[in-house]
Amino acid sequence: GENVEQHPSTLSVQEGDSAVIKCTYSDSASNYFPWYKQELGKGPQLIIDIRSNVGEKKDQRIAVTLNKTAKHFSLHITETQPEDSAVYFCAARNAGGTSYGKLTFGQGTILTVHP
Amino acid sequence: NAGVTQTPKFQVLKTGQSMTLQCAQDMNHNSMYWYRQDPGMGLRLIYYSASEGTTDKGEVPNGYNVSRLNKREFSLRLESAAPSQTSVYFCASRKDRVEYSPLHFGNGTRLTVT
Repeated sequence: GENVEQHPSTLSVQEGDSAVIKCTYSDSASNYFPWYKQELGKGPQLIIDIRSNVGEKKDQRIAVTLNKTAKHFSLHITETQPEDSAVYFCAARNAGGTSYGKLTFGQGTILTVHP
Repeated sequence: NAGVTQTPKFQVLKTGQSMTLQCAQDMNHNSMYWYRQDPGMGLRLIYYSASEGTTDKGEVPNGYNVSRLNKREFSLRLESAAPSQTSVYFCASRKDRVEYSPLHFGNGTRLTVT
């Protein structure tokens, strides 16, 4: 099955700096890579996703890049703000076949943005 | 539109006790999922239901059972709780037949087994 590794486990930045979180996956058939943000006491919420036919996707201050050859993808947050502090999860899935939407998640990154 | 609702929010059990975690979604989604979240291990799939009337095991099903009561509701049962089942449990749903549709999560149930 799929295995997703996420690094770093904790990340501390100053407000205004950039933050980068990296994930690698093992199953070359995976073609959908979402990122989730989890605030304290809440469930994970989708913030951005990318499909395997795209190399990069941006949404305001966040962007995701995908390298299919190396089987890794990254989340980039620019101009970080204190409200970006949360746990971030990457995930991978083979969106076709009989996967029924079963996502495999990374271990999570605790991002702290200091004012 | 509440999305995915989980009850209870918190629960403390003694070893050997049983309980059922409830989940309901109002988005007319066909697929529903139960995940557990443990520190340093991300979210791991316990069971899922691709449609009403069907359930299948995920990555860590031992010690759990599920029931897909109807299209809206998907419950998770611990028959004889063990300390290893101390975790935060998340229910999620997805609009299937849309290949890249995301998971929508509830706010979780924090379970402690002593």
